[in-house]
Amino acid sequence: NAGVMQNPRHLVRRRGQEARLRCSPMKGHSHVYWYRQLPEEGLKFMVYLQKENIIDESGMPKERFSAEFPKEGPSILRIQQVVRGDSAAYFCASSPSGTGDTEAFFGQGTRLTVV
Amino acid sequence: GENVEQHPSTLSVQEGDSAVIKCTYSDSASNYFPWYKQELGKRPQLIIDIRSNVGEKKDQRIAVTLNKTAKHFSLHITETQPEDSAVYFCAASMGQAGTALIFGKGTTLSVSS
Repeated sequence: NAGVMQNPRHLVRRRGQEARLRCSPMKGHSHVYWYRQLPEEGLKFMVYLQKENIIDESGMPKERFSAEFPKEGPSILRIQQVVRGDSAAYFCASSPSGTGDTEAFFGQGTRLTVV
Repeated sequence: GENVEQHPSTLSVQEGDSAVIKCTYSDSASNYFPWYKQELGKRPQLIIDIRSNVGEKKDQRIAVTLNKTAKHFSLHITETQPEDSAVYFCAASMGQAGTALIFGKGTTLSVSS
């Protein structure tokens, strides 16, 4: 059973470009979470999705950021018109049900660098 | 808003000593409290968790205690080893849907031999 898969592992974008980060949850998991980790900081919750639904996006910036988890395929975190401040590690986690009482499994992360 | 505070931010101990990390949370409805360990450049991995109907849980050298009244929980590592050196994050379930994990800012534990 493959773990949570994120790609790419490293992504370099110039200011103003778009970044697309992909996350394939563990088999059988229908709940996906995105977190952002800045250097020397903790994991900041961004968005929680189930298949075809955004459940909680309270941690996601209102502009330039969007997320989806389609019926088929991976979850996508999309950042439009990237700025230097978007440089961070973005982690995806999945769980078989909501994390009210179950473990969330993390992917290896995508390290985004904006130059 | 929903918040998890974690202390200390850094902790240095000698091999064999105990280490204690403490967290407080704001949402009294939180009912799941995991602890994750993250080594440099790697993914966070669950080391132990506790649910709100339990006050204490132990797994070999690691234990977690929960005080729901005071809204705080703690991680205890005994007989620390150099390979315990990492960043440790506490988390609590909360959020609009009550099921997102909100993390503390982490504790960098250094175990010297």
